[in-house]
Amino acid sequence: EDKVVQSPLSLVVHEGDTVTLNCSYEVTNFRSLLWYKQEKKAPTFLFMLTSSGIEKKSGRLSSILDKKELFSILNITATQTGDSAVYLCAVHNSGGSNYKLTFGKGTLLTVNP
Amino acid sequence: KAGVTQTPRYLIKTRGQQVTLSCSPISGHRSVSWYQQTPGQGLQFLFEYFSETQRNKGNFPGRFSGRQFSNSRSEMNVSTLELGDSALYLCASTLGGNYGYTFGSGTRLTVV
Repeated sequence: EDKVVQSPLSLVVHEGDTVTLNCSYEVTNFRSLLWYKQEKKAPTFLFMLTSSGIEKKSGRLSSILDKKELFSILNITATQTGDSAVYLCAVHNSGGSNYKLTFGKGTLLTVNP
Repeated sequence: KAGVTQTPRYLIKTRGQQVTLSCSPISGHRSVSWYQQTPGQGLQFLFEYFSETQRNKGNFPGRFSGRQFSNSRSEMNVSTLELGDSALYLCASTLGGNYGYTFGSGTRLTVV
């Protein structure tokens, strides 16, 4: 059975701190790993990673994938209160009859002023 | 361009009733998938449609069904509602391949 595990499940930090969120996976027919930020309803897309060792960056956020060890990390530097959200990791399967995202339970990040 | 549109935003239904939720994907996206999100289970895959064909189905009972129309709009139906069906139902669309999935804002279903 496909599995995605995120850690920690929740995290409380102060503004300006740097955080690292973890995502490990065991899935068949891996195509890509995606990170989403969910504040209220719609998860909003952050990154898609398909190749090992290539860091994706967007402002204060960055992410990297290790396909050998089957994990990814999401880093957020100089955190702000607006970063408070649930961060979701998902793995995209494809091929055969698998066309779906398998999600982890998410990491609830709270950034205090 | 318009995002993924889900209607209605909120629904309150009684146990035993049925409900139909609608999803309009981003223009040009032919793949539409549905997810159920609950506090205990997180986001769980329901089904995925491409060009009106269901390509994959998650581990949900037969009370959960869906379809896709020729314009790629999709509907999901839940019959004989149970209290445990209360959840946020999210729809996502994609161009496929190595393109990401874009989610709608969801339909919050409450079963009383």
